[in-house]
Amino acid sequence: NAGVTQTPKFQVLKTGQSMTLQCAQDMNHEYMSWYRQDPGMGLRLIHYSVGAGITDQGEVPNGYNVSRSTTEDFPLRLLSAAPSQTSVYFCASSYTRNTEAFFGQGTRLTVV
Amino acid sequence: AQSVTQPDIHITVSEGASLELRCNYSYGATPYLFWYVQSPGQGLQLLLKYFSGDTLVQGIKGFEAEFKRSQSSFNLRKPSVHWSDAAEYFCAVGARDDYKLSFGAGTTVTVRA
Repeated sequence: NAGVTQTPKFQVLKTGQSMTLQCAQDMNHEYMSWYRQDPGMGLRLIHYSVGAGITDQGEVPNGYNVSRSTTEDFPLRLLSAAPSQTSVYFCASSYTRNTEAFFGQGTRLTVV
Repeated sequence: AQSVTQPDIHITVSEGASLELRCNYSYGATPYLFWYVQSPGQGLQLLLKYFSGDTLVQGIKGFEAEFKRSQSSFNLRKPSVHWSDAAEYFCAVGARDDYKLSFGAGTTVTVRA
């Protein structure tokens, strides 16, 4: 009964470091997405994927890369971390267009 | 592109009192509409959704929401609030020809004894 699993739950990075946030779902959902949550701004879409091998940019894509080599996994890469990327990151998946989105527990990232 | 406004940043309500959270959306056609709840340190959980049909939608935990096309609104209600309803609530809108969801900024609900 795993649903959407994100790792790690917490991470501290130094400015300029790179890292990958992992996201995996076991529901065979075709649509996956990454959001960042900042106080007073709700959730903003970073990147999304409508299936293996297909990705596209969301609202705030700069500084982030994604790939989707399998249906299950959708990692988010920070290329060179900046303090402005301090945020809580959520991965979500859904079966088809605009059916219910299932969210992971989030990754709290701090860039110092 | 669609957008969502949640006019109330923070609402305080007494336990047992009724609760209404406002949500207004901007979209040229009939959207998909959702309400999610986020407890502290947790991910988002779907409370209810509207796709079509009956404009009064029932959800989990005793919540309901009403879609009003004329007012571009999808307000969330609960007749009697419990202390466990203290959380942050997000309204979201999706377009019927797109995969993306747009979220409001959220409303934080505090429940006082």
